[in-house]
Amino acid sequence: EAQVTQNPRYLITVTGKKLTVTCSQNMNHEYMSWYRQDPGLGLRQIYYSMNVEVTDKGDVPEGYKVSRKEKRNFPLILESPSPNQTSLYFCASSPGQYYGYTFGSGTRLTVV
Amino acid sequence: GIQVEQSPPDLILQEGANSTLRCNFSDSVNNLQWFHQNPWGQLINLFYIPSGTKQNGRLSATTVATERYSLLYISSSQTTDSGVYFCAVEAEGSGYALNFGKGTSLLVTP
Repeated sequence: EAQVTQNPRYLITVTGKKLTVTCSQNMNHEYMSWYRQDPGLGLRQIYYSMNVEVTDKGDVPEGYKVSRKEKRNFPLILESPSPNQTSLYFCASSPGQYYGYTFGSGTRLTVV
Repeated sequence: GIQVEQSPPDLILQEGANSTLRCNFSDSVNNLQWFHQNPWGQLINLFYIPSGTKQNGRLSATTVATERYSLLYISSSQTTDSGVYFCAVEAEGSGYALNFGKGTSLLVTP
């Protein structure tokens, strides 16, 4: 089944403890991206990647890192999480710019 | 940046009713998509429709790019249609930045 897989689905962590949210797609898509969803602010792009080793900042990149060493994987790294990074995170992929996106099931992160 | 406005913000329907959701955008786009976020939080892609008309079962969508709006039609609504419907666009020349509207929250009652 074609899908975008995020792990974990739920995570509670403490301020400052490094964490990684993994994202993997099995559709050989070139484009991948990360979004966060917050009440009142909606969905905002964090980072995106147009292909292996090609990444760029979205609207809200502060406090996040990404890497794209393989086409299928696009992990989101929070090196020193803070409570304002408590959010619902989504990974998405698509074949390219003029196609629809497939979203993962989301990761609900709470930083205390 | 590009502005995306969706209306109505909230909608309550009885099962079997039809509805039209609207998305207005402020600039030319090269990508427009409709998504359904179900009560479990999952985002499901309904249509990729930067222009023209598409249909998928009880759902259809029309985008009039020259007038900068898109419509999502839901016919014979079912309780499983409940959730939030998002319109998302990429402005021409903006790169890979999908901008989401605030959504239309739909509740379909039995």
